[in-house]
Amino acid sequence: QVQLVQSGAEMKKPGSSVKVSCKASGGSFSDYIISWVRQAPGQGPEWMGGIIPFFGTAKYAQKFQGRVTITADGATSTAYMELSSLRSEDTAVYYCARRAEGSAAEYFQHWGQGTLVTVSS
Amino acid sequence: DIQMTQSPSSLSASVGDRVTITCRASQGISNSLAWYQQKPGKAPKVLLYAASRLESGVPSRFSGSGSGTDYSLTISSLQPEDFATYYCQQYYSTPYTFGQGTKLEIK
Repeated sequence: QVQLVQSGAEMKKPGSSVKVSCKASGGSFSDYIISWVRQAPGQGPEWMGGIIPFFGTAKYAQKFQGRVTITADGATSTAYMELSSLRSEDTAVYYCARRAEGSAAEYFQHWGQGTLVTVSS
Repeated sequence: DIQMTQSPSSLSASVGDRVTITCRASQGISNSLAWYQQKPGKAPKVLLYAASRLESGVPSRFSGSGSGTDYSLTISSLQPEDFATYYCQQYYSTPYTFGQGTKLEIK
């Protein structure tokens, strides 16, 4: 059974950066896109980007291009999302997510528990 | 980007009611649509994918339909555990996008 376990909550100052980790267990890590989805308070989820660990190539939503970096470490089955130049509007719960094992459809069956990032001076 | 518009944004209903939530995409998405249920403080949970396919373990009172740009989620007989927020998501093309949500509340 695929499990995604994320790092803990972060409190950051405006202008700084945050790096959130997502450790996968069960299933194949390298062959499936790990996506990062954030959800601001009271808002719907928002896809930020994703990476196929086998290739190491990330794709980003235009909104976050230049501010987000998604990486993956196959040796530890861990994906990372780093967001820079933080502002108060980046306060949100950040999730990693991926599709079902054996599925070709990119809907999200597996989710991490979420990491709350709070940006405040 | 494909915009997903859900309606209604909130809905009050009673246990046993039949409810329908709709989702409209700004362009055709060839049934590449999933529905999620989210409860406070939890990650979204997938209910249906490919517009109408029930995820394993999800009760059969949940069903989905639609094609092209218009899709719907129906709960045939509301149970107490169904009161939550529901989101649609298109996975036809990146950036994958979600609807703004429908909050289902107890009347």
